[in-house]
Amino acid sequence: ELKVEQNPLFLSMQEGKNYTIYCNYSTTSDRLYWYRQDPGKSLESLFVLLSNGAVKQEGRLMASLDTKARLSTLHITAAVHDLSATYFCAASSGGNEKLTFGTGTRLTIIP
Amino acid sequence: GAVVSQHPSWVICKSGTSVKIECRSLDFQATTMFWYRQFPKQSLMLMATSNEGSKATYEQGVEKDKFLINHASLTLSTLTVTSAHPEDSSFYICSATGLAGTDTQYFGPGTRLTVL
Repeated sequence: ELKVEQNPLFLSMQEGKNYTIYCNYSTTSDRLYWYRQDPGKSLESLFVLLSNGAVKQEGRLMASLDTKARLSTLHITAAVHDLSATYFCAASSGGNEKLTFGTGTRLTIIP
Repeated sequence: GAVVSQHPSWVICKSGTSVKIECRSLDFQATTMFWYRQFPKQSLMLMATSNEGSKATYEQGVEKDKFLINHASLTLSTLTVTSAHPEDSSFYICSATGLAGTDTQYFGPGTRLTVL
């Protein structure tokens, strides 16, 4: 059974700082997703990572995937208040479309 | 492209009543739709997977007789919460796949159900 864990669960950081959210998964995964969720809203797709060593960047967010370590990271550079949200990683495996979500990381950026 | 809508956005109902939530893919044919439930400050939990024209596959622990799923067409799936109780209050999110060339899930905006 695929399990996905995120660390940390809560993160409060100052504007301008850098930080990384970690996502570990328990078994071989076909692909790894990162989503953003604002309060009361649904999910916004950020990144899809398909292969070992994959790195994708959009603005101040950068995601990477290490399939050997079963680890994905979401790096935040020079955080701004607009990035405050809950971030989820999710993984699928075995050619299955089903997603298993991590616990989520609630990120708060303070001035 | 790849827009998924849900209706209603929120619903408040009395305990014991049934509530139907619709999930539509607006600009593509969704071969598979997924239903998730999210309790406050928690992650998304997959409830069931539905393919057009066939019975839904429910995750372990989800009562199929309580959460009725119908995927009658390639653009519409419905989730009916039967005899709803306060513990069914949650945020229900659907997603759909089937956009040509990708198996990415596209998420609907969610439906917030409150059962009094």
